Amino acid sequence: EVQLVESGGGLVQPGESLRLSCAASGFTFSNYWMTWVRQAPGKGLEWVANIKQDGSEKYFVDSVKGRFTISRDNAQNSLYLQMDSLRAEDTAVYYCARSGTQWSFPPSYWGQGTLVTVSS
Amino acid sequence: DIQMTQSPSSLSASVGDRVTITCRASQGISNFLAWYQQKPGKVPKLLIYAASTLQSGVPSRFSGSGSGTDFTLTISSLQPEDVATYYCQKYITAPWTFGQGTKVDIK
Repeated sequence: EVQLVESGGGLVQPGESLRLSCAASGFTFSNYWMTWVRQAPGKGLEWVANIKQDGSEKYFVDSVKGRFTISRDNAQNSLYLQMDSLRAEDTAVYYCARSGTQWSFPPSYWGQGTLVTVSS
Repeated sequence: DIQMTQSPSSLSASVGDRVTITCRASQGISNFLAWYQQKPGKVPKLLIYAASTLQSGVPSRFSGSGSGTDFTLTISSLQPEDVATYYCQKYITAPWTFGQGTKVDIK
């Protein structure tokens, strides 16, 4: 059974950093593109970032470029999102999701999410 | 960037009704279009990918159609368990933009 478990969320002040983790199990992690999606309270879904199987390609939504970094450790079956210079508008539930073995497949398995709150 | 626009933003229908949700891309995206269902307080669930391919385990009352810029999600006979917000997403190129969502409830 595919499982994705996010951790690392919490309350931080504007300008601070946070690192989210996603522990994957139940599938061959190194075979898949991985994705982060977020959802602000009461709002819609927003795609945040993708990373290729070997980490050689990474893509970000414009609003986080230069502030967020996506990475993975295939030996540990783990996905990460390093979030720096956090802003109030980054407040959201962050979901880790498994996409496809190729670019052309959307996220089909999602974790339960971890809440990030940016507030003074 | 390609924008995704869904309509309507919300709808109310009776059990057994046929429900149609539309998603329009600002540029052609071939068939790189997915539909998700998010029930209140739950994680999004992939319903359809490649515009019209039903994800495994999804009831056959859900169907998708379209190509290029105009896409449709249809629920052939609305059930109480279909109360949710539905999102389209394009994934041809980054950013993998979502539509703003369509909230469906029972009249």
